[in-house]
Amino acid sequence: AQSVTQLDSHVSVSEGTPVLLRCNYSSSYSPSLFWYVQHPNKGLQLLLKYTSAATLVKGINGFEAEFKKSETSFHLTKPSAHMSDAAEYFCVALSTGFQKLVFGTGTRLLVSP
Amino acid sequence: GAVVSQHPSWVICKSGTSVKIECRSLDFQATTMFWYRQFPKQSLMLMATSNEGSKATYEQGVEKDKFLINHASLTLSTLTVTSAHPEDSSFYICSANSPTGGYGYTFGSGTRLTVV
Repeated sequence: AQSVTQLDSHVSVSEGTPVLLRCNYSSSYSPSLFWYVQHPNKGLQLLLKYTSAATLVKGINGFEAEFKKSETSFHLTKPSAHMSDAAEYFCVALSTGFQKLVFGTGTRLLVSP
Repeated sequence: GAVVSQHPSWVICKSGTSVKIECRSLDFQATTMFWYRQFPKQSLMLMATSNEGSKATYEQGVEKDKFLINHASLTLSTLTVTSAHPEDSSFYICSANSPTGGYGYTFGSGTRLTVV
C-alpha cells in the first residue's frame, strides 16, 4: 500500500531564513506527488505537483520540491520564509490507478519575526 | 484556474437535525468528487468518493446512512449529515480532479460543522 510520511509535525523558522519540509513516500511505482498548503479554517491550496516530468518542480510563492527516487523523497523548500507562509503543509501522493489521494500527517510551519 | 466552491463555510445545528453541504465545480465538469473529514490538528481522512450518476463509494468505517452523498450533476455533489450529533462536529472538505493540465486536485474551502 502506498504511504506518505512527513517527518516533522512542526517546523519553526525565522522570517528570511530557508524552509525545509520533509516528505518520504512508499510506493512500488513512482507516484504523482503534491504539496498542498492549508491556512486555518481554509481548504487546501496546491503549491506544486510532480508527475514524472522534471524532478525539480517549481511551485507558487517561491516554493519548490525535488523528487529523488533513490531516496523516495519529495522535500519542499523555500529560500526565504515570509510570515504569510505560516500554515499547515501536506505532502500528498496519488495512488496509481485508484484516483485516491494519500495524505501525509501534515507539518505545521511556524515563522517568527 | 479550476475552482471548487463549497457552501456553507460554517454551520451550527442542533443535535438530531440534518445538514447539507454543497460542493460545486465552477468552471469544469467533475465526474468524480471526494469528501474528506478533518479533525483538529490532524490530516484529511477520505470519507467517500462521489461519482456522478451513481452511488458513492464509502471508505471503511464511514456510515453511509449517516453521511448521504448525492452527485446529481457534473458540477454538484452534496453531503448530508443526517441526525447530527456532537461527535459529527468537524471540518468537512470536498475536492475534485480538475481536468486541465493533467492531475490537479482542487479543494473547496471547507465547511466547519458544529453540532450543539
